Amino acid sequence: GQQLNQSPQSMFIQEGEDVSMNCTSSSIFNTWLWYKQDPGEGPVLLIALYKAGELTSNGRLTAQFGITRKDSFLNISASIPSDVGIYFCAGQGNNQGGKLIFGQGTELSVKP
Amino acid sequence: KAGVTQTPRYLIKTRGQQVTLSCSPISGHRSVSWYQQTPGQGLQFLFEYFSETQRNKGNFPGRFSGRQFSNSRSEMNVSTLELGDSALYLCASVAGGEGEQYFGPGTRLTVT
Repeated sequence: GQQLNQSPQSMFIQEGEDVSMNCTSSSIFNTWLWYKQDPGEGPVLLIALYKAGELTSNGRLTAQFGITRKDSFLNISASIPSDVGIYFCAGQGNNQGGKLIFGQGTELSVKP
Repeated sequence: KAGVTQTPRYLIKTRGQQVTLSCSPISGHRSVSWYQQTPGQGLQFLFEYFSETQRNKGNFPGRFSGRQFSNSRSEMNVSTLELGDSALYLCASVAGGEGEQYFGPGTRLTVT
């Protein structure tokens, strides 16, 4: 199935460090969404981006919608142990209704 | 406001059987999308229902079907189960046509 290219696949960092992950696509998207998923649970929406170039923050999280509309990144500042989980990017194309295309995920581990 | 609910949370079925999963969206949301999550393929879009009509469909065989009721609750059905259908099935709720999708906790289906 179709997937976005998300990197890195995994990260192991020290508490307090900043984290950056990104997604790229060969297709243009109208919407980029970032989710976090804990084991055994559904993805939780972190940030939604609707406009090329848009930079949006949610607490320690900051995400940007790339100006080419083919990429997005997510930054987490001053990581804490509860940031552990899998982060997914998702893109939505024009006239695609409720269809999201997901990245493979970035597994984040934080060492206290 | 209550979130997206999915029932059952866990299910074990035998090859060849069929299964029906249920999803209740956030109150007032009219669109429900279904996704399959597996370790190998990640999150893959199954289909989307909006106002009781299937609006979009992913690349899954006809054994996978769904429907939506007038109260926006949705069900998906998988007939003639195969081992490869073992997965976490997630539904997501959207207020309108596009944009932010809010996921339920998922139904973990195991086919033996």
